[in-house]
Amino acid sequence: DQQVKQNSPSLSVQEGRISILNCDYTNSMFDYFLWYKKYPAEGPTFLISISSIKDKNEDGRFTVFLNKSAKHLSLHIVPSQPGDSAVYFCAAKMTGGFKTIFGAGTRLFVKA
Amino acid sequence: NAGVTQTPKFQVLKTGQSMTLQCAQDMNHEYMSWYRQDPGMGLRLIHYSVGAGITDQGEVPNGYNVSRSTTEDFPLRLLSAAPSQTSVYFCASSYEAGTQPQHFGDGTRLSIL
Repeated sequence: DQQVKQNSPSLSVQEGRISILNCDYTNSMFDYFLWYKKYPAEGPTFLISISSIKDKNEDGRFTVFLNKSAKHLSLHIVPSQPGDSAVYFCAAKMTGGFKTIFGAGTRLFVKA
Repeated sequence: NAGVTQTPKFQVLKTGQSMTLQCAQDMNHEYMSWYRQDPGMGLRLIHYSVGAGITDQGEVPNGYNVSRSTTEDFPLRLLSAAPSQTSVYFCASSYEAGTQPQHFGDGTRLSIL
């Protein structure tokens, strides 16, 4: 039973356009959400996070949106660049605990 | 500024062999964890530690053992390797459990024949 789902295994976007990566969760106790980015042969690196008390968080080209009623979050990358090509993992946790649940990841291809 | 260091990067084992995956961090982080990454499954937590001398099980602990004798090191032991343990293993650390993100090593790719 996957508590965090990324239903799109891959996404292809033209350079300069918007990339939208989606994530759904089932556990209503999750109150903190993170996105990690992973290049081949490297470990995941933290990208951006959002608390359940917010519905939007921005950091440069990256924005995460949270819809608590739909148990859905999305990561927007604008404008997309070839260097953004990587696997993106959505993750969720309860701030009172340590365990973080990861989605299966979405592989983003940004074409030049 | 090494961060989280994992050794070895690659390893091939035969079924039934045992081995230890090493993980060390130099950030004085209290929290450390081991994950495995399998196709279509994301990262799954094997074991974690909230400080020296304290460990606990994650989602998929069977077949693995851990100990935490120092803040810096968190080795993962495969007791008797099985083909189902073929995976990429990541070690991670974080300063605290709440909202601090985890820092990951570059992984160990393990194949069990």
